[in-house]
Amino acid sequence: EVQLVESGGGLVQPGSSLRLSCAASGFTFSSYWMSWVRQAPGKGLEWVSNIKQDGSQKYYVDSVKGRFTISRDNAKNSLHLQVNSLRAEDTAVYYCARCFSAEHFDFWGQGTLVTVSS
Amino acid sequence: QSVLTQPPSVSEAPGQRVTISCTGSSSDIGAGFAVHWYQQLPGTAPKLLIYSNNNRPSGVPDRFSGSKSGTSASLAITGLQAEDEADYYCQSYDSSLSGYVFGTGTKVTVL
Repeated sequence: EVQLVESGGGLVQPGSSLRLSCAASGFTFSSYWMSWVRQAPGKGLEWVSNIKQDGSQKYYVDSVKGRFTISRDNAKNSLHLQVNSLRAEDTAVYYCARCFSAEHFDFWGQGTLVTVSS
Repeated sequence: QSVLTQPPSVSEAPGQRVTISCTGSSSDIGAGFAVHWYQQLPGTAPKLLIYSNNNRPSGVPDRFSGSKSGTSASLAITGLQAEDEADYYCQSYDSSLSGYVFGTGTKVTVL
């Protein structure tokens, strides 16, 4: 059974940093692109970033470029998102998602909430 | 970041049919990229409902179907049930942004 479990969220002040993690199990992690998708409270879904199987390609939505960094550790079946210089508008539930054929997201974690507030 | 446009809400009685539209542009749906649909029940993570325009993952009832034409796509739900009350999102890829785009989301209410 595919499982994705996020962690690392919390309440932080503007300008702070966090490292979000996603523990994957039930599939060959190193064979899939992986993504982060976020959802602000009461709002829709927004793709944030994705990373190729070997980590050689990474892409980001414009609003987080230069502040967020995606990475993965295939030996530990884990995905990470380093989020720096956090802003109020980054407040959201951050979901880890498996990418199928680099086209769609076939499995999602339960999400981790990041709240940026002074 | 551009998004795909969906109606905010649709509602219908149990047993009836509803359709949800998803309108994109020449750089996403119109460029030939596939459309995918997700169902998000209240308080839960999104779940893949339809992939590659009109394919259902294992376990998704055949009451759900998808289609695509030009710069738009649609999700149809037939035989509407109370358990179908949820938010529905379309998703595609935008070549001008080199990233994925989601629809604005549609809340389905079963009257």
